[in-house]
Amino acid sequence: SQTIHQWPATLVQPVGSPLSLECTVEGTSNPNLYWYRQAAGRGLQLLFYSVGIGQISSEVPQNLSASRPQDRQFILSSKKLLLSDSGFYLCAWSNSGSPDTQYFGPGTRLTVL
Amino acid sequence: SQKIEQNSEALNIQEGKTATLTCNYTNYSPAYLQWYRQDPGRGPVFLLLIRENEKEKRKERLKVTFDTTLKQSLFHITASQPADSATYLCARGEGGYSTLTFGKGTMLLVSP
Repeated sequence: SQTIHQWPATLVQPVGSPLSLECTVEGTSNPNLYWYRQAAGRGLQLLFYSVGIGQISSEVPQNLSASRPQDRQFILSSKKLLLSDSGFYLCAWSNSGSPDTQYFGPGTRLTVL
Repeated sequence: SQKIEQNSEALNIQEGKTATLTCNYTNYSPAYLQWYRQDPGRGPVFLLLIRENEKEKRKERLKVTFDTTLKQSLFHITASQPADSATYLCARGEGGYSTLTFGKGTMLLVSP
């Protein structure tokens, strides 16, 4: 069966510090991968998605970036965090052949102080 | 842009009753709509998908409808239980390799 992992589960970072969140998927090949942010009282905002290694599409311009160095690894980064980057970050995957349903990871709660 | 609108007010119902949540979309009908359940501090979990050419889909105590005239999907939970308390998200998909657009979700509270 397929599983998706995210770490860390929680993170408290000062403003201006760098960020690296990691997501890995097991049990499937060539998945579509997604990064979402969910701020308090707001819906899921799609940040990046990837249909293959090295292929990244950005949905919202911001100070975040994403990379996919391996087939089942997706990384969200920032060089300098802003207060507004606080939120709940979710990674998700879907089958490349049938991208209808997305399967979410447990999420990372990021607090920028 | 395509939008998904869900009632932001929490829905409070009594155990055993049927809960009905509403999802409205704008512009053209999506290829499909999906419903997810999200518990506090957890990632959303997929529940049901209904395609544009389907009127209704059922899974155990869950039922979803797709009304292209009203531009609306209804999500029903029959014989609701306190364990059904969660936030329910509606999402639209356009098919192919498009991404999903999520609504903000509606919180359901089922009291014993």
